[in-house]
Amino acid sequence: QSVLTQPPSVSGAPGQRVTISCTGSSSNIGAGYDVHWYQQLPGTAPKLLIYGNNNRPSGVPDRFSGSKSGTSASLAITGLQAEDEAHYYCQSYDNSLSVHVVFGGGTKLTVL
Amino acid sequence: EVQLVESGGGLVQPGGSLRLSCAASGFTFSSYEMNWVRQAPGKGLEWVSYISSSGSTIYYADSVKGRFTISRDNAKNSLYLQMNSLRAEDTAVYYCARERSDLSCLFCIDYWGQGTQVTVSS
Repeated sequence: QSVLTQPPSVSGAPGQRVTISCTGSSSNIGAGYDVHWYQQLPGTAPKLLIYGNNNRPSGVPDRFSGSKSGTSASLAITGLQAEDEAHYYCQSYDNSLSVHVVFGGGTKLTVL
Repeated sequence: EVQLVESGGGLVQPGGSLRLSCAASGFTFSSYEMNWVRQAPGKGLEWVSYISSSGSTIYYADSVKGRFTISRDNAKNSLYLQMNSLRAEDTAVYYCARERSDLSCLFCIDYWGQGTQVTVSS
């Protein structure tokens, strides 16, 4: 399984707010490493959505926001839209394993 | 415009080899660290390998260590992944990924290629 734990799926109706959690440990998120989030639309490559815990690249709507506390992080999406239906992945760095970066298992967001 | 274009994927038998390439453009390739990330069918993202901007530092996931070799040619703006002793579990889309390393985006991947499919099957 993945080093970072995400719920396999979340859902919400258009206009609603949803959150996606990402739980790590003392060797990654809890060690102070930043969390980044990626959005993967069906059939496409991932795209950077949130970087440095709570920063949005140019062009990403402010409906998307991130937060981090302790060994966990969250992605919040407000004003849910149909085009938000996608897979979302969190990512960080882990200092305890022979890896460079680690990903969460991904969360499928369904817009009802 | 930043572009990362992978090539070299295909169908290969177990035990076989493939060499993936990634052509970079739109940025100073020699200034950026690069990664390969893969995604098995219906699965999540798995980091595969990292190479520093100069090529002097390299890391591999345990699952590919000893079988895969990452390299780069900064003069040709290209990233490579030599994959040997391929297994069925290596079947995935392989993405070339640029790592941004400024303090605001440490260890984050800011650009991804479109991916190249690798299928290991007899």
